[in-house]
Amino acid sequence: DTEVTQTPKHLVMGMTNKKSLKCEQHMGHRAMYWYKQKAKKPPELMFVYSYEKLSINESVPSRFSPECPNSSLLNLHLHALQPEDSALYLCASSQVGVPGLNTEAFFGQGTRLTVV
Amino acid sequence: EDQVTQSPEALRLQEGESSSLNCSYTVSGLRGLFWYRQDPGKGPEFLFTLYSAGEEKEKERLKATLTKKESFLHITAPKPEDSATYLCAVQEGSNYQLIWGAGTKLIIKP
Repeated sequence: DTEVTQTPKHLVMGMTNKKSLKCEQHMGHRAMYWYKQKAKKPPELMFVYSYEKLSINESVPSRFSPECPNSSLLNLHLHALQPEDSALYLCASSQVGVPGLNTEAFFGQGTRLTVV
Repeated sequence: EDQVTQSPEALRLQEGESSSLNCSYTVSGLRGLFWYRQDPGKGPEFLFTLYSAGEEKEKERLKATLTKKESFLHITAPKPEDSATYLCAVQEGSNYQLIWGAGTKLIIKP
């Protein structure tokens, strides 16, 4: 099973709303990621969790708040977003990098977020 | 500066017409090179990982190869369902981060 499940698939929210994106994987991966992807662009890394601890924050604005409740779940809490934050938000997971082991990331289908 | 460049940006082929996509990279220490396929509005689908020059991997009509400077994704006798954007990404050193190419949009006409 190489499935990463993201919910919801689509989300429309106002600039004053608070919402959360959810991601779940059951592959035993201990690295989980949030990416943002704009149309016709490659994914852009936002956050990395390793062993449930935040290891990388790519200078993401504080209106995006990640959370990793356990090794299978990853959330992204959204508050006071701007229209330019509209994008496809992708969750991914991988084994924690060890030389010689596969470290490819498996992606979910994404949440299409529209901020109005 | 670490960089990943994919070419061409777009490629239109007739069904059955074989071709190759290119991913050239400049990183200080390659840890892995990854190929993904992405359909519109969907997340990237993992295809291959290549770790060292000379390595080759195959899956159905796709074959990925790696040299010290570039990787090729060869597509043999493609079908319309192979139409997608193909993304290349490189992992460098002990970094979790992937350096992504801009992708090649492949269109296969029946």
